[in-house]
Amino acid sequence: ETGVTQTPRHLVMGMTNKKSLKCEQHLGHNAMYWYKQSAKKPLELMFVYSLEERVENNSVPSRFSPECPNSSHLFLHLHTLQPEDSALYLCASSPGTSGRPDTQYFGPGTRLTVL
Amino acid sequence: KQEVTQIPAALSVPEGENLVLNCSFTDSAIYNLQWFRQDPGKGLTSLLLIQSSQREQTSGRLNASLDKSSGRSTLYIAASQPGDSATYLCAVGEYNTDKLIFGTGTRLQVFP
Repeated sequence: ETGVTQTPRHLVMGMTNKKSLKCEQHLGHNAMYWYKQSAKKPLELMFVYSLEERVENNSVPSRFSPECPNSSHLFLHLHTLQPEDSALYLCASSPGTSGRPDTQYFGPGTRLTVL
Repeated sequence: KQEVTQIPAALSVPEGENLVLNCSFTDSAIYNLQWFRQDPGKGLTSLLLIQSSQREQTSGRLNASLDKSSGRSTLYIAASQPGDSATYLCAVGEYNTDKLIFGTGTRLQVFP
């Protein structure tokens, strides 16, 4: 048990749907991250939140919209996605505040398929 | 721009062998380097973290080394077991950023 949970674990959606991914960390950490993992590509950092403020947006298209209502919860809102957005979406958290690459603790991921 | 490469991409070995997985990075000005394990369809589990001032870290049958000047790290797995089968990822941390730069991983299969 890593202390980071993600729901749903699997999601299939059409290109016109709107859905949200949820991440919750039970570790008392200050920073949370969204990553995208596509087949045969390195993990791509999407967003970083530190103390509930977005500190990094790694050139992610606006059809992905993050939300961090408090330090324990992180959402990724999805709308009008494309088939190439199909991937494993991983959430992670780390103890420190931004500006230092701490050990990150990952959730199990949401496997997203866009039809 | 930092790039991280892992070789080999896949490895299949019989149980009991000692293994070396390789990670190379292009910019030696790193803050730390981490090795992760990922089981199929699951998230990542941190195995070892080496600070830039360190040469190696050990945890059980795992030993990770770091040679910053040559841009290399190795993960040594002693006496491999079928339960070691997974994808192993290395990630470089840089100064003044949260960002980890990942390699594409080495997919390891240990057969009985």
